[in-house]
Amino acid sequence: TQLLEQSPQFLSIQEGENLTVYCNSSSVFSSLQWYRQEPGEGPVLLVTVVTGGEVKKLKRLTFQFGDARKDSSLHITAAQPGDTGLYLCAGETSGSRLTFGEGTQLTVNP
Amino acid sequence: NAGVTQTPKFRVLKTGQSMTLLCAQDMNHEYMYWYRQDPGMGLRLIHYSVGEGTTAKGEVPDGYNVSRLKKQNFLLGLESAAPSQTSVYFCASSYGQGAYNEQFFGPGTRLTVL
Repeated sequence: TQLLEQSPQFLSIQEGENLTVYCNSSSVFSSLQWYRQEPGEGPVLLVTVVTGGEVKKLKRLTFQFGDARKDSSLHITAAQPGDTGLYLCAGETSGSRLTFGEGTQLTVNP
Repeated sequence: NAGVTQTPKFRVLKTGQSMTLLCAQDMNHEYMYWYRQDPGMGLRLIHYSVGEGTTAKGEVPDGYNVSRLKKQNFLLGLESAAPSQTSVYFCASSYGQGAYNEQFFGPGTRLTVL
């Protein structure tokens, strides 16, 4: 059973377009993280959101944590080929454990 | 400062063979984790450790064993490999938990079981 569901699973867009990736759950998380993973490498943390309704910006990336802390979204403005990668959300469960979503594979075409 | 390293990077096993994957971190982190990543499944936690000498089961522990004899090392063992264990294995470590639980990942080990 996947606690965290990401949508879409695959996304292919042209350079300059905007996009939003969603991460949804029926469970409440004390914090939620977004990672990006490139081929042949491990995931790298982009951001951690902790407070319901929190919005964080990282250059052209905007992350939002739902008010009820059950969902999150990642919005990319004016996507670039360098944004290509697998985006993973991860919710913190009991103790020090993270539950990961299945990921969104983003391809930005020049 | 190498971060998290994993050995080996690639391995092919026959069904029934055993092997050990080694993870090492030089960041003095207390917490260490082993995940497997399969297409469409994201990362699933196999086992984890909250400190030297401790281990605990994660989401998919069957068929795997772990040991944390030294703080910097976390070993993942497969006693009798099965084709279902074909996957990419990632080790991670973190300083603490909660909002400070940024996990630093190694580059992964690609394992194929024939």
